[in-house]
Parts: sequence; structure tokens; C-alpha cells
Amino acid sequence: DTGVSQNPRHKITKRGQNVTFRCDPISEHNRLYWYRQTLGQGPEFLTYFQNEAQLEKSRLLSDRFSAERPKGSFSTLEIQRTEQGDSAMYLCASSGPNQPQHFGDGTRLSIL
Amino acid sequence: AQRVTQPEKLLSVFKGAPVELKCNYSYSGSPELFWYVQYSRQRLQLLLRHISRESIKGFTADLNKGETSFHLKKPFAQEEDSAMYYCALRHGNKLVFGAGTILRVKS
Repeated sequence: DTGVSQNPRHKITKRGQNVTFRCDPISEHNRLYWYRQTLGQGPEFLTYFQNEAQLEKSRLLSDRFSAERPKGSFSTLEIQRTEQGDSAMYLCASSGPNQPQHFGDGTRLSIL
Repeated sequence: AQRVTQPEKLLSVFKGAPVELKCNYSYSGSPELFWYVQYSRQRLQLLLRHISRESIKGFTADLNKGETSFHLKKPFAQEEDSAMYYCALRHGNKLVFGAGTILRVKS
């Protein structure tokens, strides 16, 4: 197992465009998390899935953001009508029950 | 509200010197605390968690509930310890991270 995999590694887009990121968790992990990290800050929680159910969402997750995990395996995070302030590193993590979270390399989003 | 504070953005020490990376938290309840490390061009990875009470790569951290601290310590720093270190608190299903401290070990 190569760990948590995220694609793409880097996404550059124009303001107003939609973007989608993908996360493939460690295969035996049923819990999946998305975080956002901006320069000089630690990761901030966005949302959490247990299997296919989205059980928690942060207030940071505005209505332009949507996350899915349709079959309880991979997850996607979509941002609609991107804004300058969305520029950040988007991190995915996965874990088993009561286990530490393992992180992917992240997707760096740059808004032009 | 739950919060993690790492007061130092940068800590620079010489090889062989002791290291202490500070972490303070605020949490109403029994906290579960972690240290994560990110080496250059690598992903964030777990270094240690307080419930394990183990030493990883020579690092230890003791939870002090009276002082609400979880400082990371190593008696003799090595150059390969240079990295970004994040303290994190588990709150329900999520981790709350501090802003991180860059550790630079000079030869």
C-alpha cells in the first residue's frame, strides 16, 4: 500500500472556474478527512466521512464546496466558482477507528 | 474553544544540543494529543501520540494537564531532525493543529 494518494498534485486555474480533487485513502481505512492549509498555518479541518456518509462539515466549507465519497472508497472535493481566497494546499487523510490519521501529499490550488 | 498554540515559528539549535518544541492547548475534556512532522518535500506524518507513551527517533512528549502543555523533547538534536513540527489535538472526529514550528539543526 502506497498510503493516501491525492490527484492532481498541483492545480492552476482562473478565478471563477470549477475544480475537483481526488483522494484515494489507505484501502482498509473507512474514515476519510479533508483539510485545508494556507501559508504559515497548520491544516484546518473541512469535512469527515465514515464510509460513504459525510458526518461532519466545518463552517469553513462554504456552499461552493462539496465533497463526496460515493462508494466509501475514494473521495472528491469540488470547489465551484473559485475565488482568490481558495488558494491553498488541500490535504486528505484517512484512518481506521480510533487510529491516527495518515495524510496524503496534498493538492496545491493556485487561483490566477 | 479548542485551540493549539505553538509559540515559536522557528527554533534553531546546534547538532548535539537539546531540543524542546513547545505546545500548549486549550480543551474542555480529556485531550488526545499528537505531534506530526513534515520533512522537506515529504508528506505530513505522525511522529508520536501521547497515549502511546513511546519514544520515536529519540523524541518524547509528556502531557502536562496542569500546565495544559505537550512539549516535544529530544536530548541531542541531529541534522536529520530539521523539519516542520505540528502539534495537534483530537476533537471528536477532527484534528486541530497548531501553526507549526520549524526546527533547524545546524552543524
